[in-house]
Amino acid sequence: DSGVTQTPKHLITATGQRVTLRCSPRSGDLSVYWYQQSLDQGLQFLIQYYNGEERAKGNILERFSAQQFPDLHSELNLSSLELGDSALYFCASSPTLLNTEAFFGQGTRLTVV
Amino acid sequence: DAKTTQPPSMDCAEGRAANLPCNHSTISGNEYVYWYRQIHSQGPQYIIHGLKNNETNEMASLIITEDRKSSTLILPHATLRDTAVYYCIVRPRTNTGNQFYFGTGTSLTVIP
Repeated sequence: DSGVTQTPKHLITATGQRVTLRCSPRSGDLSVYWYQQSLDQGLQFLIQYYNGEERAKGNILERFSAQQFPDLHSELNLSSLELGDSALYFCASSPTLLNTEAFFGQGTRLTVV
Repeated sequence: DAKTTQPPSMDCAEGRAANLPCNHSTISGNEYVYWYRQIHSQGPQYIIHGLKNNETNEMASLIITEDRKSSTLILPHATLRDTAVYYCIVRPRTNTGNQFYFGTGTSLTVIP
């Protein structure tokens, strides 16, 4: 158990809909990362937050947005969903911005039908 | 970020040492080498990281060459549960966004 909690574990929704994925980082971790892993694809970095502020942005679509709340949990919002958005979405957390390891949650499997 | 090159797949006999190579010839002085693994769509699991000295923990050893252009992850006694995709990642030592960029990794199969 990495200490990073993601909910829900599975999500099935229709095209055009909007969903919210939630991530609770390890206790005390200030930095949160979001990754997308499509079927047979590598892990793609989406976005990073540190202590409530966006810190780095990767290949995140405009239909996707994220935020980190004062209690440090984070949400990834996916809207106008398309079939191609079906993927595993992982959240990771680390204590600081300095060079420390990040710990990943078990992911949310999103299926768009 | 420096690019890493890993063999796409490797086999290892159960109980033997698994040696997973990684080439990072363009690594710069402020970049660390990290290793993660992912077991069948589970969340990636941190294994070990280092800057220039060899490192060892309860999971593995990391050997970094003196010129830092390559490294080897060693699982001393591979078990079937070590079958996974192993990712070698080079990560800048900065405080301005230090996300991990995953490549395609090495798929390690431990054979009974």
